[in-house]
Amino acid sequence: TQLLEQSPQFLSIQEGENLTVYCNSSSVFSSLQWYRQEPGEGPVLLVTVVTGGEVKKLKRLTFQFGDARKDSSLHITAAQPGDTGLYLCAMSNFNKFYFGSGTKLNVKP
Amino acid sequence: SAVISQKPSRDICQRGTSLTIQCQVDSQVTMMFWYRQQPGQSLTLIATANQGSEATYESGFVIDKFPISRPNLTFSTLTVSNMSPEDSSIYLCSVEDRDSGGELFFGEGSRLTVL
Repeated sequence: TQLLEQSPQFLSIQEGENLTVYCNSSSVFSSLQWYRQEPGEGPVLLVTVVTGGEVKKLKRLTFQFGDARKDSSLHITAAQPGDTGLYLCAMSNFNKFYFGSGTKLNVKP
Repeated sequence: SAVISQKPSRDICQRGTSLTIQCQVDSQVTMMFWYRQQPGQSLTLIATANQGSEATYESGFVIDKFPISRPNLTFSTLTVSNMSPEDSSIYLCSVEDRDSGGELFFGEGSRLTVL
């Protein structure tokens, strides 16, 4: 059973479109992280959100932590082919890190 | 930050054999994590390896199948024992850098194919 459910599982869009990826759980988190992974590499941290309702921006990426700290979203504006990759949310529990089910994004030029 | 080197990067193995994956970190870290990932899918935590104590395994993973060593603060190994085709996967070593606010750093992974 996946602690963190992500949706959608797959997303294929044209360059310039906007998209949102969701990460949901029935548990409350002290913090939540988003990672991006490209083929043949390990995941790389994009952001950590800690406070309920928090919004963080990283260039064209906007991350939001739900008020109840049980869900999060990642919004990409004007997607580019370089955004292609596997997006993973992750939570820490007793000093261990568990990953969401993943969203595979393909941005076509 | 932490730089992690994994060996081998890939291997093809015969059913019934065992393979040991090495993970070297460029700094001393308390906790090291081993994950398994099917290509294009998410990461599943296998076990946590702390120096000086036995590794702690997640549900569905056992020490006899995935023995782990952690001889010092910069090195760990994961052995995949008595392999079957179902063990074909990418195995990733990871460490937490608490100085970076709890960020996980990963090796490039070891892609294992069992015939």
